[in-house]
Amino acid sequence: AQKITQTQPGMFVQEKEAVTLDCTYDTSDPSYGLFWYKQPSSGEMIFLIYQGSYDQQNATEGRYSLNFQKARKSANLVISASQLGDSAMYFCAMREGIGSGGGADGLTFGKGTHLIIQP
Amino acid sequence: ETGVTQTPRHLVMGMTNKKSLKCEQHLGHNAMYWYKQSAKKPLELMFVYSLEERVENNSVPSRFSPECPNSSHLFLHLHTLQPEDSALYLCASGPASYNEQFFGPGTRLTVL
Repeated sequence: AQKITQTQPGMFVQEKEAVTLDCTYDTSDPSYGLFWYKQPSSGEMIFLIYQGSYDQQNATEGRYSLNFQKARKSANLVISASQLGDSAMYFCAMREGIGSGGGADGLTFGKGTHLIIQP
Repeated sequence: ETGVTQTPRHLVMGMTNKKSLKCEQHLGHNAMYWYKQSAKKPLELMFVYSLEERVENNSVPSRFSPECPNSSHLFLHLHTLQPEDSALYLCASGPASYNEQFFGPGTRLTVL
């Protein structure tokens, strides 16, 4: 079973509109972290935002916010006032066992959403 | 120079060649990672190094051989690759706080 599911392979959005990119996850670990990355056509993975499983409030970073619904295992990314430069692939990722003292762990990624902002 | 750097950015090699990918981080992190990104597939974790020791190997074929000589450098040695190994190889590093993982620009590898 997939641990990270992104159900939107592609999205077209008008410039200046808000965008919501969906992400659901699957884990039985009570300690985990959720990440969103942006990957432009150049290939570099750009870290956007992080949400810990014990965080009480939704994470925000500038125009990015994470709509964290723990009971539904959902961690949607919201981009407010979209810009042409937001066109890229967006990946949701999870790390399990955060803070458990288990050492460094890699991330499990979803398949991504290709976002295109139209003028 | 800051952040995570990778060289070369592009590499074309034959199946009998031996080449190495290099990753360097200047962020003071103690964990480094190799990921593979193939077309139409999610990023796949290949190797994890923590404090210069390998802690995870996700069943990667032996034709990929990692090396971590110190906390700032990570190599991926390539030998007798197959065309299906063509992909974007991304290096990442992270601190002990676990809530960050920063990626380099990647090496786009083509195996002929």
